[in-house]
This record gives sequence, structure tokens and C-alpha cells, in this order.
Amino acid sequence: DTAVSQTPKYLVTQMGNDKSIKCEQNLGHDTMYWYKQDSKKFLKIMFSYNNKELIINETVPNRFSPKSPDKAHLNLHINSLELGDSAVYFCASSQGAGGELAKNIQYFGAGTRLSVL
Amino acid sequence: AQSVTQLDSQVPVFEEAPVELRCNYSSSVSVYLFWYVQYPNQGLQLLLKYLSGSTLVKGINGFEAEFNKSQTSFHLRKPSVHISDTAEYFCAVSGWTSYDKVIFGPGTSLSVIP
Repeated sequence: DTAVSQTPKYLVTQMGNDKSIKCEQNLGHDTMYWYKQDSKKFLKIMFSYNNKELIINETVPNRFSPKSPDKAHLNLHINSLELGDSAVYFCASSQGAGGELAKNIQYFGAGTRLSVL
Repeated sequence: AQSVTQLDSQVPVFEEAPVELRCNYSSSVSVYLFWYVQYPNQGLQLLLKYLSGSTLVKGINGFEAEFNKSQTSFHLRKPSVHISDTAEYFCAVSGWTSYDKVIFGPGTSLSVIP
């Protein structure tokens, strides 16, 4: 029973295409995240939602749009894919909300490896 | 804002030898500190965390870390490594304020040599 699951695991696509990555967590957590890990393993947060509300929105191109239909799901849609979007994208979740958010353990999915050709 | 430095990008070590992975942070406010591990082709999982209290924190798989406020460090140690410890290790920091995000360091690749 996977706690944080992402689909697809691998995504190979052409430049200019639009693609989506889905994430679901069955931990009952209130907060979900999207991270991008580049080829040098550097991990950077992109977005965070708490109870379906956007709370962290880092400086990413507006071609990236997160959507949270409910607090167990956070999807990432990417328009007009570019070569530089190639990376591993991780979804994560954590319990709690408000001022205590920062200290909570984050549970990560296995990642989606996106290759843009 | 916070930042994290991991001085060693790669650390090779022989099996059963001790290891220390270094982490330094900068912050103008009090912080929470974490170490996460990423095994090949997997997501990150928490090894240990420091929130407050005792500066020596014990985690899973025999790892421990010591918070040193004066040196702004949070080094990770294990007295005897196994082949299965080969992985990427990430130090992370967050502030105490509401909705502070967790900032991850660049990672240290630990390779255990048989």
C-alpha cells in the first residue's frame, strides 16, 4: 500500500507537448508538495498546497500549473514542454497545517522521470 | 531566508568504516533540521530530525546527528557503514515561522566500498 504514489513513473515526450503528472497520498495529510530534482540531484520546491489552498508558489514558469481537486491529490500540468524541463519530479505530503507546518516529516513519492526530446 | 551547504558532494568509504557527512546552514531565525536519504531510483525518506531539546539526535539505520548552534552545523554520522547505506543524503533546514518551506542541501553521494 503505497503512501504517496505518482503516475507515470517515466514520461518521454517531445518539445512543445503538454503533459500531466498525477499524485495521490493515502496518509490523510493536509499538505502536499511538488519538487523538481535536476540532473545534479539538486532538489527545489515548486509548489505546496494545504487543504487544497496554494501556500507556496516558487518562481517557476507559468507553464507549470498545479491542481488540487481534494487534499489527497495534487496534480502537475506542464504546457509547452522545453528541454530544460527534463528532470525528476517528486510529489510529497506532510501532516498538519499552519505555523507547525515546517517541522513535519515529508513523505515522498518515488518520482516521475520526465525526458523532453 | 535559510540556506544549506553540504561540503562534500561525494564520499567513498569502505564497508564497516565510520562515516561523517557534513552539513552547515545559515539562518537569521531558529531552525528545524533534517537529514533525508534517497536510495537509487526512489524518493526521499527521513533519517532523523532536530526540532529542539537534546542536540544529539538518533535516527534510523544506526545514523545520528549533532546540532551545533555555534558552528551552525548538523553533521551526520554512522560508526560502521554497510553496503546498503550507499545512497544520496540530503541535509535540510526550515525556519520556525508559519508556512516556512524546507530548503534542501545539494546532497552528498555516499558510496560504500566492499
